[in-house]
Amino acid sequence: NAGVTQTPKFQVLKTGQSMTLQCAQDMNHNSMYWYRQDPGMGLRLIYYSASEGTTDKGEVPNGYNVSRLNKREFSLRLESAAPSQTSVYFCASSARGFGSPLHFGNGTRLTVT
Amino acid sequence: DQQVKQNSPSLSVQEGRISILNCDYTNSMFDYFLWYKKYPAEGPTFLISISSIKDKNEDGRFTVFLNKSAKHLSLHIVPSQPGDSAVYFCAASGGSGGSYIPTFGRGTSLIVHP
Repeated sequence: NAGVTQTPKFQVLKTGQSMTLQCAQDMNHNSMYWYRQDPGMGLRLIYYSASEGTTDKGEVPNGYNVSRLNKREFSLRLESAAPSQTSVYFCASSARGFGSPLHFGNGTRLTVT
Repeated sequence: DQQVKQNSPSLSVQEGRISILNCDYTNSMFDYFLWYKKYPAEGPTFLISISSIKDKNEDGRFTVFLNKSAKHLSLHIVPSQPGDSAVYFCAASGGSGGSYIPTFGRGTSLIVHP
């Protein structure tokens, strides 16, 4: 049982380049999320998808776009990477509903030079 | 403005002793609280939770206490083990419209010395 799978694990981009972070879950969860983790800042929500076909902005959405491709997959796109987007990105999923814990992937470490 | 605060960035404890990790929140609408544990190079994993209708929840060595009047919760680990060394995140959900999406604190790094 893989849970939440993120690809790639590491990526280095130059300023202005674009890329898509992939995320897939095999737990039949309705909701999916993208967080970023920066030193001393905890986990900040970028975008989330409450269910297939819907997406909403979180706390720090600027510079990002998302696609809920189907129930399993939720991708995060950086159209024009900036050094401020250097971070560790985590995808998560949950069954939704009150108190459902999030299940996280192992993260993508992105460096923008 | 931080709605969930973990004011201690780090905590060092001797093996076998109690670890107490603290968390404060400001939004009185939060009604469900969770703790996550994170090892380096891995994603956070769910550890334990508590609903606002309770003031204590226990799971093995882990106990979470909730003081609603003080808007404070704590995670107790007894006895602490070196394998407990990790970053612990407090999270809260509820809030306006009953949002189920958790808001995370900045984390506390626990080091348990053998």
